[in-house]
Amino acid sequence: DTGVSQDPRHKITKRGQNVTFRCDPISEHNRLYWYRQTLGQGPEFLTYFQNEAQLEKSRLLSDRFSAERPKGSFSTLEIQRTEQGDSAMYLCASTGGGETQYFGPGTRLLVL
Amino acid sequence: SQQGEEDPQALSIQEGENATMNCSYKTSINNLQWYRQNSGRGLVHLILIRSNEREKHSGRLRVTLDTSKKSSSLLITASRAADTASYFCATDSPLFRAGTASKLTFGTGTRLQVTL
Repeated sequence: DTGVSQDPRHKITKRGQNVTFRCDPISEHNRLYWYRQTLGQGPEFLTYFQNEAQLEKSRLLSDRFSAERPKGSFSTLEIQRTEQGDSAMYLCASTGGGETQYFGPGTRLLVL
Repeated sequence: SQQGEEDPQALSIQEGENATMNCSYKTSINNLQWYRQNSGRGLVHLILIRSNEREKHSGRLRVTLDTSKKSSSLLITASRAADTASYFCATDSPLFRAGTASKLTFGTGTRLQVTL
């Protein structure tokens, strides 16, 4: 499968715990995005990487959130001290510079 | 924040009928895209229409764009049960610190149910 992959697909955690999600973009795509989608809503932009550089962060990305893309390939999104309001689907997308963003299957997070 | 609204929020039709979904947005755009999302899954890109285009076709899909009204519509002809999904419109917004890159701003989606 040469599409965008995300791991894990589902995560259940207790409030206060840290979680980390991984995204593997389409090979050679230099642009990578993270979005968050809550129930019944459309996805909302969180952050953008061009190669390994994080060039844009949304105000939705509080200090408890950190994202990396250390070698310009896969990316990780970490949430520290999770809160119930963090429960959502976290989506990753990549593009090689074209206008179409290709999305992964998402990681569904449930914070108890 | 959400860029726009899809209308209707939910639509139920029978197989073989046509489904029309509308999208309104607020700011000027370079392009508008439609995505499909099956329940609990990622988004699948359907079609992109640029701001200087008025209509575009792809298979059973027809998209129109009216930039003067800041609205778009997606028509799915001869619907099938497999078309059951949520449909989102998305507009591009520039990322000012990222050169030519842009982010997508999504609407709230239309949930389409196609029954046999």
